[in-house]
Amino acid sequence: QSALTQPASVSGSPGQSITISCTGTSSDVGGYNYVSWYQQHPGKAPKLMIYEVSNRPSGVSNRFSGSKSGNTASLTISGLQAEDEADYYCSSYTSSSTWVFGGGTKLTVL
Amino acid sequence: EVQLVQSGAEVKKPGESLKISCKGSGYSFTSYWIGWVRQMPGKGLEWMGIIYPGDSDTRYSPSFQGQVTISGDKSISTAYLQWSSLKASDTAMYYCARPRYYGAYYFDYWGQGTLVTVSS
Repeated sequence: QSALTQPASVSGSPGQSITISCTGTSSDVGGYNYVSWYQQHPGKAPKLMIYEVSNRPSGVSNRFSGSKSGNTASLTISGLQAEDEADYYCSSYTSSSTWVFGGGTKLTVL
Repeated sequence: EVQLVQSGAEVKKPGESLKISCKGSGYSFTSYWIGWVRQMPGKGLEWMGIIYPGDSDTRYSPSFQGQVTISGDKSISTAYLQWSSLKASDTAMYYCARPRYYGAYYFDYWGQGTLVTVSS
């Protein structure tokens, strides 16, 4: 199974909104509502930000939202803040009964 | 409080064997899957595989099938990731992770990571 496709980098100014896409296939993203998004700051373990496409865990800012259309999922961060600068990874359950990650997107807050 | 505590950093030579661990506490260890994730230096996250300690049901990502072995010891609430013959390309940070509940398809809880360095 191939990694999900994410843009390598995105950037935005404080207060702006950005969207990160995550494209898979009908065997992963398109076949299940089991897409999740993780934030990773340098030297830290990943942190769950969105689960089951669009749900936010307790404690995660409502500036983070997720959606899906067909084989592509998206993470939107509104009202960008400096602390949002990090790497973001999508993940999906797959028809092989395992999981796959995207290649990761580096978010730069200008 | 749910915690996953991983074993410490390792420095090994190519061809050596290695077993790293992930100890769960604060919950019923046998009732939750535990997955392993690789992160090579400067690279992204990769799913390796997952084990259900209750019955040792194990699934591997195709990229890692036959390359590593995932196991668990219920008696000490610990999951393992092992190599029989390390390569330089196994140099990476390895994380264990647990879903929020048994049927969840996302991972709320993460270990702190174990850095494995393989160098002659």
